[in-house]
Amino acid sequence: GAGVSQTPSNKVTEKGKYVELRCDPISGHTALYWYRQSLGQGPEFLIYFQGTGAADDSGLPNDRFFAVRPEGSVSTLKIQRTERGDSAVYLCASSRGRSSYEQYFGPGTRLTVT
Amino acid sequence: QKEVEQDPGPLSVPEGAIVSLNCTYSNSAFQYFMWYRQYSRKGPELLMYTYSSGNKEDGRFTAQVDKSSKYISLFIRDSQPSDSATYLCAMTPNTGGFKTIFGAGTRLFVKA
Repeated sequence: GAGVSQTPSNKVTEKGKYVELRCDPISGHTALYWYRQSLGQGPEFLIYFQGTGAADDSGLPNDRFFAVRPEGSVSTLKIQRTERGDSAVYLCASSRGRSSYEQYFGPGTRLTVT
Repeated sequence: QKEVEQDPGPLSVPEGAIVSLNCTYSNSAFQYFMWYRQYSRKGPELLMYTYSSGNKEDGRFTAQVDKSSKYISLFIRDSQPSDSATYLCAMTPNTGGFKTIFGAGTRLFVKA
């Protein structure tokens, strides 16, 4: 079956601009996670959705970052007033129910802020 | 101090060697321990997970968890060049919270 998909695969934007990153989880997976991975580092947790609600957004670095999952499937990570320090690979993962120990990752979106 | 510590390597071994990868952690609330493999410019791929202490084997891979020492290991037997990748350990409490913490990853090179 289809895995987790993320679009776009690459995004280059200018400092100060707004960007949206999309994640399409595995069908039937109710849990969805966003991570940020910088070069040479492991994924850093940003936010976790169970269904439509954000169950844990403690990893969002500041109020420029926001994520939604209005219908409990596709999710969008939104970054306002982008900064050069936001440049990273943004990863999305999904899992069945509350099985956070069995997450399936997408290929990521490489964001570059110039 | 980070919640999860992992030696970034790189670790270089000849084909056929036994590889040992390790992580230490500080949060005793972690219950599930996972190992992911990540190839360059790809998303992490789950290899296996273990609940609490003990061993788990899957083909050439064996995961060990020692909660008393807060130490986990992944062993790869008969390593192959295709095993060359970054290996990430990850942990989650999975009760009362689902935030997963990853180590920085160890880069492994298996030479033919």
